Amino acid sequence: QITLKESGPTLVKPTQTLTLTCTFSGFSLSTSGVGVGWIRQPPGKALEWLALIYWDDDKRYSPSLKSRLTITKDTSKNQVVLTMTNMDPVDTATYYCAHRLWGPGGDCYSYDYWGQGTLVTVSS
Amino acid sequence: QSALTQPASVSGSPGQSITISCTGTSSDVGTYNLVSWYQQHPGKAPKLMIYEGSKRPSGVSNRFSGSKSGNTASLTISGLQAEDEADYYCCSYAGSREVFGGGTKLTVL
Repeated sequence: QITLKESGPTLVKPTQTLTLTCTFSGFSLSTSGVGVGWIRQPPGKALEWLALIYWDDDKRYSPSLKSRLTITKDTSKNQVVLTMTNMDPVDTATYYCAHRLWGPGGDCYSYDYWGQGTLVTVSS
Repeated sequence: QSALTQPASVSGSPGQSITISCTGTSSDVGTYNLVSWYQQHPGKAPKLMIYEGSKRPSGVSNRFSGSKSGNTASLTISGLQAEDEADYYCCSYAGSREVFGGGTKLTVL
């Protein structure tokens, strides 16, 4: 059974760096064909894709946020960490991590298991 | 990179069929048949309903179907049920990045 759970601060100040941890079970990021992504959703607004990391440490970032994002993995702890620098009130959102769906043909470019999300508020 | 365009809202009566469109460009939807659709109930995490344009994950009702024509992908829900009332988001691969739509609120009358 695959589960994911996000953790991190609920409140950060403008200009600070946000560090979020996704702790998962039911799969390993050292296994071929596995990936974990981060998606966020401002209150009352749409989903926004942020970043993705694969088992082989290949990383993808949203072009508009690439300069502020870093995604890393710790396979021994079954964790993926997302850091976002220079936080601003517009970054207030629920942040989700999600498991990448992988099929017989390879990457299915979608997310089949999601964490419950963690709300991060940016305010002084 | 702009979000994919979805209607803000659609509605239908129980038993009816509805279609939600998702319009992109030749850089995303038009080039890649890699659109996924997510259902999100209030306060809940999104749930994958369709991937690779028209495939259903295990456990998703066959009342949900996906298709694509040109730069527009579509999600059709047949036999509407009260439980289908939710927000729906499309998402497309766009060459090393992914882009979501603005979301559509489905109301079951």
